Amino acid sequence: KNEVEQSPQNLTAQEGEFITINCSYSVGISALHWLQQHPGGGIVSLFMLSSGKKKHGRLIATINIQEKHSSLHITASHPRDSAVYICAVRDYGGSQGNLIFGKGTKLSVKP
Amino acid sequence: DGGITQSPKYLFRKEGQNVTLSCEQNLNHDAMYWYRQDPGQGLRLIYYSQIVNDFQKGDIAEGYSVSREKKESFPLTVTSAQKNPTAFYLCASRAGLLNTEAFFGQGTRLTVV
Repeated sequence: KNEVEQSPQNLTAQEGEFITINCSYSVGISALHWLQQHPGGGIVSLFMLSSGKKKHGRLIATINIQEKHSSLHITASHPRDSAVYICAVRDYGGSQGNLIFGKGTKLSVKP
Repeated sequence: DGGITQSPKYLFRKEGQNVTLSCEQNLNHDAMYWYRQDPGQGLRLIYYSQIVNDFQKGDIAEGYSVSREKKESFPLTVTSAQKNPTAFYLCASRAGLLNTEAFFGQGTRLTVV
């Protein structure tokens, strides 16, 4: 059983399209993270949120605690947005401060 | 610039040899973590350390060992007991146990031949 599920697994978009990546989780959480992993493998933290909505440039992250669901939106997508986007949650009952990761959504934005 | 440095980026080893992956951070973070990433799977926790000279096993600790002699450093040794060591290894750190942002290194891709 996966405690963090992401959809879709793979996503191909044309440059300029609005993109949504979804994350559902089954555990009680204290925070949810959205991460970006580029082809070289390094991971960058995009957002950490525990309620509501956050925006940074063309990226928007929302979370609905009652529904245990979060979405990452990319407006006016660009080929440089091509990466794997990973949702991770901080479990109340898990290892001290540990994150539980989704399998990632591979996004490819075509020019 | 503050951050986490993992080295080397690519590592090749013969089967049966132990190998140590380096992770150094200059963020003054207390907590450090080692994760393993396999194709099509989420990151899985190998070991974590909340404070110097203390570390705990994660979900897949068998065949691995760590040390935390300095706050800045959390090296991971992949021993010959690890049955399937070829993978991508990521190190991360956080300032503490409360909801703080996690910082990740660039990863080390280990190939055992």
